[in-house]
Amino acid sequence: SQKIEQNSEALNIQEGKTATLTCNYTNYSPAYLQWYRQDPGRGPVFLLLIRENEKEKRKERLKVTFDTTLKQSLFHITASQPADSATYLCARPYGGATNKLIFGTGTLLAVQP
Amino acid sequence: DTAVSQTPKYLVTQMGNDKSIKCEQNLGHDTMYWYKQDSKKFLKIMFSYNNKELIINETVPNRFSPKSPDKAHLNLHINSLELGDSAVYFCASSSGTDYNEQFFGPGTRLTVL
Repeated sequence: SQKIEQNSEALNIQEGKTATLTCNYTNYSPAYLQWYRQDPGRGPVFLLLIRENEKEKRKERLKVTFDTTLKQSLFHITASQPADSATYLCARPYGGATNKLIFGTGTLLAVQP
Repeated sequence: DTAVSQTPKYLVTQMGNDKSIKCEQNLGHDTMYWYKQDSKKFLKIMFSYNNKELIINETVPNRFSPKSPDKAHLNLHINSLELGDSAVYFCASSSGTDYNEQFFGPGTRLTVL
């Protein structure tokens, strides 16, 4: 079965450092991976999408990589700020439908001032 | 301007009752979804509708019945509520084409006593 695994332990870092979150998937490489941010009591908010043929994608302080050999995506936040503290979810399509997503359990990021 | 809205925000009810959650999107999207997020924060798809037609139905008990009166609305009716139904339910929408991100509502926290 297709799975998405994220580090369930919280990641604590100091303000200004780079946060790196990991998303591992099983079985065949998906056509794309998506990353979402979820704040407490709110719905997930889309951040970035990276396609299978893209090695890296950037958006402001965010960077996502996609390594089909390692079956892994890394999500980086550079110059992290306390406002970046949230849960970050990785998602992949599955079941042959490219808009049907399976989500990881998310990684809680806490940026300390 | 709220993109995806849900009502109610909180729902507390007794076991055995029937309840409904409503969802509306003003993004002009063709596809809408219902997700369940359990106490461990695992976000799992339940249903998806495209232009009022059911396209995804993920082994959800038939006590759960989605209804889409038009493509901007997707409601979720739950019969004979059970303790295990307690969770946060999120509605989402997307344009339905490949790779497009999903826009989530604020969630409905359902507590069954």
